[in-house]
Amino acid sequence: DVKVTQSSRYLVKRTGEKVFLECVQDMDHENMFWYRQDPGLGLRLIYFSYDVKMKEKGDIPEGYSVSREKKERFSLILESASTNQTSMYLCASSKTPGRVRLGGYTFGSGTRLTVV
Amino acid sequence: GQQLNQSPQSMFIQEGEDVSMNCTSSSIFNTWLWYKQDPGEGPVLLIALYKAGELTSNGRLTAQFGITRKDSFLNISASIPSDVGIYFCAGLTQGGSEKLVFGKGTKLTVNP
Repeated sequence: DVKVTQSSRYLVKRTGEKVFLECVQDMDHENMFWYRQDPGLGLRLIYFSYDVKMKEKGDIPEGYSVSREKKERFSLILESASTNQTSMYLCASSKTPGRVRLGGYTFGSGTRLTVV
Repeated sequence: GQQLNQSPQSMFIQEGEDVSMNCTSSSIFNTWLWYKQDPGEGPVLLIALYKAGELTSNGRLTAQFGITRKDSFLNISASIPSDVGIYFCAGLTQGGSEKLVFGKGTKLTVNP
């Protein structure tokens, strides 16, 4: 069964901490994405990557960075966590351009991050 | 940027009722997808639509790709308690970016 695995389901961090959210996919997908989900705001794209060592800003990149050193792993980094970054974070992956029609994105189960 | 207007934002229905939700946009999309998110989980793909006018079913779910390519709807017939969750529409534009544009979701509550 193909999967996108997020390393933690729940995290509690303190303001100012550096936070790493990890995502691993086993489908050999080229594209990987990080979203945050907040009530009433839907899914908002933070960063995405079309290839190893490649990254592009999404709609709300401020306060975040990403790392993609290997094809299967895409990490989201909160450089200095703040309370307004308390949210559900979702990772997703998909195949190369033109192939997304074969199934859209596959999502992980999410990491619920609380910053106190 | 591109936006999808999804409505309604939430629905409270009785078990056995039919449900309808839709997404509209000022932009043209060449693929429409519908996802369901169970509480505490990530979204899962329900139905994918690739052609204007296409009507596709998946069990009790039916979705249509609007003729204008600017809208799509999802119907759920004879709802059951496990239909509870958030339903998202998503669209993909032609020629280029593989980024899906998501609606804000419809939260469905089914009372037994």
